[in-house]
Amino acid sequence: EVQLVESGGGLVQPGGSLRISCAASGFTFSNYWMNWVRQTPGKGLEWVANIKEDGSEKYYVDSVKGRFVISRDNAKNSLYLQMDSLRAEDTAVYYCARGTQHAHWGQGALVTVSS
Amino acid sequence: DVVMTQSPLSLPVTLGQPASISCRSSQSLVHSDGNTYLNWFQQRPGQSPRRLIYKVSNRDSGVPDRFSGSGSGTDFTLKISRVEAEDVGVYYCMQSTHWPPLTFGGGTKVEIK
Repeated sequence: EVQLVESGGGLVQPGGSLRISCAASGFTFSNYWMNWVRQTPGKGLEWVANIKEDGSEKYYVDSVKGRFVISRDNAKNSLYLQMDSLRAEDTAVYYCARGTQHAHWGQGALVTVSS
Repeated sequence: DVVMTQSPLSLPVTLGQPASISCRSSQSLVHSDGNTYLNWFQQRPGQSPRRLIYKVSNRDSGVPDRFSGSGSGTDFTLKISRVEAEDVGVYYCMQSTHWPPLTFGGGTKVEIK
């Protein structure tokens, strides 16, 4: 069974940093692009970033370029999102999702940016 | 960027009756490989999104056959043949033909009358 489990969410002050993780199991992690998608409270879905199977290509939505970094460790079956210079508008539930077709999603990690 | 526009925003439906959600893209979603990468997701209250349909009309494993997807080019539709109580939630379309960025529609809330 495919499982994606996010962790590392929490409360952070504006301008601060946070790293969230996604632990994958039930499939060959190194065979898939992986994505981060966020959902602001009561709002819709926004794709944030993705990373190629071997980590050689990474793409970001314009609003996070230069502030967020996506990475992966295929030996640990894990996906990461390093978020720096956080803003109030980054407050959201962050989901990891498998593949460019987003076939499977985790349960999400809540990131709250507030003073 | 490809803009995905869903309608209606809200869809009150009587149990057992059909429902239809429209999704339109700002440009054709036909990929150079011949596929059309248009997916539909369901998000029940308090849950993560779940993919229902991929590449316009292919149902994911475990998805009831009352859900169907259709369309081509820039116009797509998700239909529920007979709405059940468990279908309440928000439905999103997403294109993954022209990226980055991958883009979602704004969502359609299905509720029971």
